[in-house]
Amino acid sequence: DIQVTQSPSSLSASVGDRVIITCRASPSITTYLNWYQQKPGKAPKLLIYATYRLQSGVPSRFSGSGSGTDFTLTITSLQPEDFATYYCQQSYNTPYTFGQGTKLESK
Amino acid sequence: QVQLVESGGDLVKPGGSLRLSCAASGFTFSDYYMTWIRQGPGKGLEWISYISSGGATTNYADSVKGRFTISRDNAKNSLYLQMNSLRAEDTAVYYCAKFTSSSEVYFDFWGQGTLVTVSS
Repeated sequence: DIQVTQSPSSLSASVGDRVIITCRASPSITTYLNWYQQKPGKAPKLLIYATYRLQSGVPSRFSGSGSGTDFTLTITSLQPEDFATYYCQQSYNTPYTFGQGTKLESK
Repeated sequence: QVQLVESGGDLVKPGGSLRLSCAASGFTFSDYYMTWIRQGPGKGLEWISYISSGGATTNYADSVKGRFTISRDNAKNSLYLQMNSLRAEDTAVYYCAKFTSSSEVYFDFWGQGTLVTVSS
């Protein structure tokens, strides 16, 4: 199975900050990497697919980059509604494994 | 707009069975793969199964292979998950999701989830 490791597991930030979450896959998954946001008691929501493609309706302050084994999700100018848990997911091969999540909290 | 509504979650004893349903609307259900993902209490996300648009192809995570069966009824716009030989570790919220599988592969819409609790 492809291993997906996300870091950090938790992060404290303030409104207006720039936040970076990283995801490492082993072995290479080319660009088959997606990012989801989940708020407490809610279903995950797709933010970015295929490494950098923004899902319709997602604000442009969210962006993704990377390829192969190393990927990042960047949130520029953090907004109050962005405090949530973020998951990366590889869709290169089944089983479609997720990272363990990054909980983004208000400082 | 796309809507996915899961149902069927319940409290069941170890070794028991349960059938989950997912009612889809707002898109052409028969054109899309569908998938189930679960999330244990306080835990991360685990993909467990997908089914092709026509139902001919299925795939399972090893953790559920041989115990769970995914199926669909395109005439009813419905997805199902038959769960047998349930274990305590199957306790989770189960989500169905619309699965885009082309040059990119991703889960673009999710239902709100249904809770399955396996306990004696």
